[in-house]
Amino acid sequence: NAGVMQNPRHLVRRRGQEARLRCSPMKGHSHVYWYRQLPEEGLKFMVYLQKENIIDESGMPKERFSAEFPKEGPSILRIQQVVRGDSAAYFCASSPTGMGTEAFFGQGTRLTVV
Amino acid sequence: GQQVMQIPQYQHVQEGEDFTTYCNSSTTLSNIQWYKQRPGGHPVFLIQLVKSGEVKKQKRLTFQFGEAKKNSSLHITATQTTDVGTYFCAELSSNTGKLIFGQGTTLQVKP
Repeated sequence: NAGVMQNPRHLVRRRGQEARLRCSPMKGHSHVYWYRQLPEEGLKFMVYLQKENIIDESGMPKERFSAEFPKEGPSILRIQQVVRGDSAAYFCASSPTGMGTEAFFGQGTRLTVV
Repeated sequence: GQQVMQIPQYQHVQEGEDFTTYCNSSTTLSNIQWYKQRPGGHPVFLIQLVKSGEVKKQKRLTFQFGEAKKNSSLHITATQTTDVGTYFCAELSSNTGKLIFGQGTTLQVKP
């Protein structure tokens, strides 16, 4: 059973471009969380999704950021018109039920905006 | 809303010394989970505590959940260089399913 897969591992974008980060949860997991981590800082909650539904997006900026978790395929975190301040590590985690169960993290995508 | 405060932010210890990190909340926690993130790595689940006053051990690691379910601690006995990393507590809300992390405590161990 493969773990949580994130790709790409490293992504470089110029200011104004779009960044698409992908997360394939573990098999059988229907709950996905996205977190952002700046160097030397903690994990900031962005969004919580179940299949085809956004459950909580209170941590995600209202502009330029969007997330989806379609019925088929990976969860996508999309950042439009990236700015230097978007440079960070973005981690995805999945869990089978989201209630009282551990979350399994992917290796993260390190986004650098130049 | 959910918020867990974690202290200290950094801790440097000599190998063999003990280490403790604390997690506090102003509200009653549904549960507490602990994760470890090695430098350059991703968070890895260590344990979950659910019951008031619960204590769990994993080798040299001891996890406690306060009687009022408002605080938790992770204690490492006789640290080793392999213990280096950042330790996070997190609350998984039983209402919303949202997993919120504390700020983390970064442990450095001098050999």
